[in-house]
Amino acid sequence: DIQMTQSPSSLSASIGDRVTITCRASQSIRNYLNWYQQKPGKPPSLLIYAASNLQSGVPSRFSGSGSGTDFTLTITSLQPEDFATYYCQQSHTRKTFGQGTKVEIK
Amino acid sequence: QLQLQESGPGLVKPSETLSLTCTVSGDSISSSIHYWGWLRQTPGMGLEWIGSIYNSGSAFYNPSLESRVTISVDTSKNQFSLRLRSVTAADTAMYFCARDVYEFVSGSPTNWFDPWGQGTLVTVSS
Repeated sequence: DIQMTQSPSSLSASIGDRVTITCRASQSIRNYLNWYQQKPGKPPSLLIYAASNLQSGVPSRFSGSGSGTDFTLTITSLQPEDFATYYCQQSHTRKTFGQGTKVEIK
Repeated sequence: QLQLQESGPGLVKPSETLSLTCTVSGDSISSSIHYWGWLRQTPGMGLEWIGSIYNSGSAFYNPSLESRVTISVDTSKNQFSLRLRSVTAADTAMYFCARDVYEFVSGSPTNWFDPWGQGTLVTVSS
């Protein structure tokens, strides 16, 4: 299986901060990488597909980049509704998820 | 608007079979070009894909669960179902169904899960 490793596992940030979350694959997955946001008691919600494509309805402060083994999710100006857990997921070979990054209020 | 809703028992005894159904509204499984999937989430293992099925009944599974899993589809009811045999406490989880979207992006096929059902908690305990 392809292992997905996210870093950090958690972070504290303030409203308006720029936040960067990293996801590394154990082998090249080209651009077969998706990002999800999950709030407590809710299912994951798609943010970014194919590494850099913003899902319809997702605010433009979210962006994704990377290819091969290293990927990044960036939130340019953190908003109150962005405090959540973020997951990466590869779809290159079967489907596996990172362990999640919890974004908390500083 | 596409919606998915999981249903089934919230408590299953060890060694028995976990059975869940996902009802789809706002889209027709029989005419969809996408797959339909099951996933689960636990505090320890995180998010785990279980398997996905097409409207033809063609299914593929996570190899780690394949020996115990069957996913089936009932297009007349616009539902698909999960059966997980010989459950243990390790199968206690929040179970989600989701559309397993397949699209061409920049000329290459890729896929993602969207949307997801709200999830249903299944506890394995005697």
